[in-house]
Amino acid sequence: KAGVTQTPRYLIKTRGQQVTLSCSPISGHRSVSWYQQTPGQGLQFLFEYFSETQRNKGNFPGRFSGRQFSNSRSEMNVSTLELGDSALYLCASSLTSGDIQYFGAGTRLSVL
Amino acid sequence: QKEVEQNSGPLSVPEGAIASLNCTYSDRVSQSFFWYRQYSGKSPELIMSIYSNGDKEDGRFTAQLNKASQYVSLLIRDSQPSDSATYLCAAGGYQKVTFGTGTKLQVIP
Repeated sequence: KAGVTQTPRYLIKTRGQQVTLSCSPISGHRSVSWYQQTPGQGLQFLFEYFSETQRNKGNFPGRFSGRQFSNSRSEMNVSTLELGDSALYLCASSLTSGDIQYFGAGTRLSVL
Repeated sequence: QKEVEQNSGPLSVPEGAIASLNCTYSDRVSQSFFWYRQYSGKSPELIMSIYSNGDKEDGRFTAQLNKASQYVSLLIRDSQPSDSATYLCAAGGYQKVTFGTGTKLQVIP
């Protein structure tokens, strides 16, 4: 069974640009969560989608948005990038909300 | 108060010793608890899940849950240098999973 796939693995952008990250969950998983992780920081929860609906949202500005498609694949978008957005962005999928989460390898975003 | 609290460490133990990692949670509706291991620069990987009070053993790992005290722990027996990583505790409840900030474990050869 294929795991959680995140693309791209690495991304370099400049301030002011926007970026879209993609996540394909494990087959059959309907919940997808997104996290931001910076050096020395824990997992900062961004948002969670279940069956195309955003169920939970973390404390991030509106520049961070996401969506989920009918096949459970999810995208995360960050507009007007700032230097502080440089981080490892992790996607995790689970059968249902609140259940075991399986993480993808992450997308490492560098904002110059 | 953070919803899931862990000592950030580092926790240093000699090779072959028992490493004890602790975690407390504040949301009493939490029903499921998880331990993840994260190596530097990598994504978290699930080590153990525990849902009921008591101990759960898997190889060198034992997870312990005490819902009355809102306390979860992870014991690693015969610690190896390859166990050196950050260990994340997580609590699952209604429609969400909350992670602690992690405890860094260093196993000294």
